[in-house]
Amino acid sequence: AQSVAQPEDQVNVAEGNPLTVKCTYSVSGNPYLFWYVQYPNRGLQFLLKYITGDNLVKGSYGFEAEFNKSQTSFHLKKPSALVSDSALYFCAVRDGVNYQLIWGAGTKLIIKP
Amino acid sequence: DAGVTQSPTHLIKTRGQHVTLRCSPISGHKSVSWYQQVLGQGPQFIFQYYEKEERGRGNFPDRFSARQFPNYSSELNVNALLLGDSALYLCASSSRDTNTGELFFGEGSRLTVL
Repeated sequence: AQSVAQPEDQVNVAEGNPLTVKCTYSVSGNPYLFWYVQYPNRGLQFLLKYITGDNLVKGSYGFEAEFNKSQTSFHLKKPSALVSDSALYFCAVRDGVNYQLIWGAGTKLIIKP
Repeated sequence: DAGVTQSPTHLIKTRGQHVTLRCSPISGHKSVSWYQQVLGQGPQFIFQYYEKEERGRGNFPDRFSARQFPNYSSELNVNALLLGDSALYLCASSSRDTNTGELFFGEGSRLTVL
């Protein structure tokens, strides 16, 4: 079955430290992978995507993600966290059959001053 | 340009009632998708429409239906509401139907069923 897993419900990071939010996936065919962020009582905002090419993808607000085919992972990273990065982060993969997005359960990122 | 707009933003219904949620996509976008987001979970795909044709349907009962109008706006209808239908309903628009690019989300319609 095609799926996305975000193994951490919550990640706590001190401001200025690097952050990683984990995502693993299972999908048939070539993976199309996405990260979105959701602020309280708001819709989702696109951060970045991997379709093909360089395994390190750069996105909005200084975020980047590393695609690892052998580990079927697509972890979100940022070198130096800001308090304003505190939000809910969702990983998604495009279903290889019906082309719809399958979403992880989300990871709450808390950046402490 | 205006982003994706959804209405109403909040609504309260009782079990058995019917609800209609509305979405206006970004100008020029022909694809509209609907998602249900239950508190503490990721979005679940309900429908996608492109050029007024249904392009995908998620694992939801027939009580859920949708349509897209000639101006590409869309409605999601839910009949015979259940308590479990309480959720944030998100609409997303995009320029293509293949979900390889960015989806632009509205802020959602929060439905509470009592």
